[in-house]
Amino acid sequence: EVQLVESGGGLVKPGGSLRLSCAASGFTFSSCSMTWVRQAPGKGLEWISSISGNSNSIYYADSMKGRFTISRDNAKNSLYLQMNSLRAEDTAIYYCTRRGITVPTYDYWGQGTLVTVSS
Amino acid sequence: EIVLTQSPGTLSLSPGERATLSCRASQSVSRSYLAWYQQKPGQPPRLLIYDVSSRATGVPDRFSGSGSATDFTLTISGLEAEDFAVYYCQQYGSAPITFGQGTRLDIK
Repeated sequence: EVQLVESGGGLVKPGGSLRLSCAASGFTFSSCSMTWVRQAPGKGLEWISSISGNSNSIYYADSMKGRFTISRDNAKNSLYLQMNSLRAEDTAIYYCTRRGITVPTYDYWGQGTLVTVSS
Repeated sequence: EIVLTQSPGTLSLSPGERATLSCRASQSVSRSYLAWYQQKPGQPPRLLIYDVSSRATGVPDRFSGSGSATDFTLTISGLEAEDFAVYYCQQYGSAPITFGQGTRLDIK
């Protein structure tokens, strides 16, 4: 069974940093591109960043470029998101998602981790 | 960036009725890379439809997708109680990947 479990969320002050993790299981992690998507309270979905299976291709939304860094450790079946210079508008649930092996979009999602940026 | 506009914002229907949700793109969606997700309160999104009309694993056949280029539709025939949720369309053919703002399907 495919499982994605995020961790690392919490309360952080504006300007602070946070590192999110996503533990994957139930599939060959290194074969799948992975993505972070966020959802502000009561709002819609926003794509943040994607990384290919071998980390050779990395993409960011323009609004996050330079502040957020995606990475992965295939030996640990883990995905990461380093978030720096956090702002109030970064407050959201952050989801880890998998691009499917036979399905060309996000077929499995974690339950999400809540990041709150507030003084 | 491709902007996806969903309509209506809220749709109020009764169980057993047919729901028609619309997603309009600001430019043509490449390679028919258009998906639909369902989200219930406190849960992550669930993939329903990909490549415009292919149902994801385990999705009931009352859910169907159609459309092309800039106009897409999700149809739910014979609404059941568990179908009342928020629905998002997503295009994944052009960077950046974008989502619509969502349609809330409420019980009438």
